[in-house]
Amino acid sequence: GENVEQHPSTLSVQEGDSAVIKCTYSDSASNYFPWYKQELGKRPQLIIDIRSNVGEKKDQRIAVTLNKTAKHFSLHITETQPEDSAVYFCAAPEAGAGSYQLTFGKGTKLSVIP
Amino acid sequence: ETGVTQTPRHLVMGMTNKKSLKCEQHLGHNAMYWYKQSAKKPLELMFVYSLEERVENNSVPSRFSPECPNSSHLFLHLHTLQPEDSALYLCASSQEEVGLSPLHFGNGTRLTVT
Repeated sequence: GENVEQHPSTLSVQEGDSAVIKCTYSDSASNYFPWYKQELGKRPQLIIDIRSNVGEKKDQRIAVTLNKTAKHFSLHITETQPEDSAVYFCAAPEAGAGSYQLTFGKGTKLSVIP
Repeated sequence: ETGVTQTPRHLVMGMTNKKSLKCEQHLGHNAMYWYKQSAKKPLELMFVYSLEERVENNSVPSRFSPECPNSSHLFLHLHTLQPEDSALYLCASSQEEVGLSPLHFGNGTRLTVT
């Protein structure tokens, strides 16, 4: 099955700096990579996702890059703000048609220091 | 409004009790999921239903029993639980399989087993 590793487990940055979170996956056939943000006491919410036919996707201050050869993908947050403080999870699906199995990383707790 | 509603938000139960968690989705999605979220562990998939048919069962102990009476409702029946079952139980839904569409989570039920 799919194995997803996420680093770092905790990350502290000064407000305005950039933050980068990295994930690796094991199944070379995986083709969809979402990122979820979970604020304290709240539900995980999708913030950005990327499919394997593109190498990078941006949405305002958030970007995700994908390296299929190396089997890793990264979340980039620029100009961080205190409201970016949360736990971020990467995920990858079990490959194959009809798969409902999404494997999550262990999460990265991001703290943005004002 | 989350689109996926879970009740109760908090539940405390003894090891001999029987209780049920309820989830309802208002998004018209075809698949519904139960995830377990414990401290310092990745989100763990427990069960998946697609069009009311169970399609995934990840070696979950029989003291957890899911029920999906229709595509909008999902239950998790609990009995004879152990203290290590204390966790946040998240319900989610998706339009299609996870390689094609994202998960939408509810706010979860915080379960404490005493």
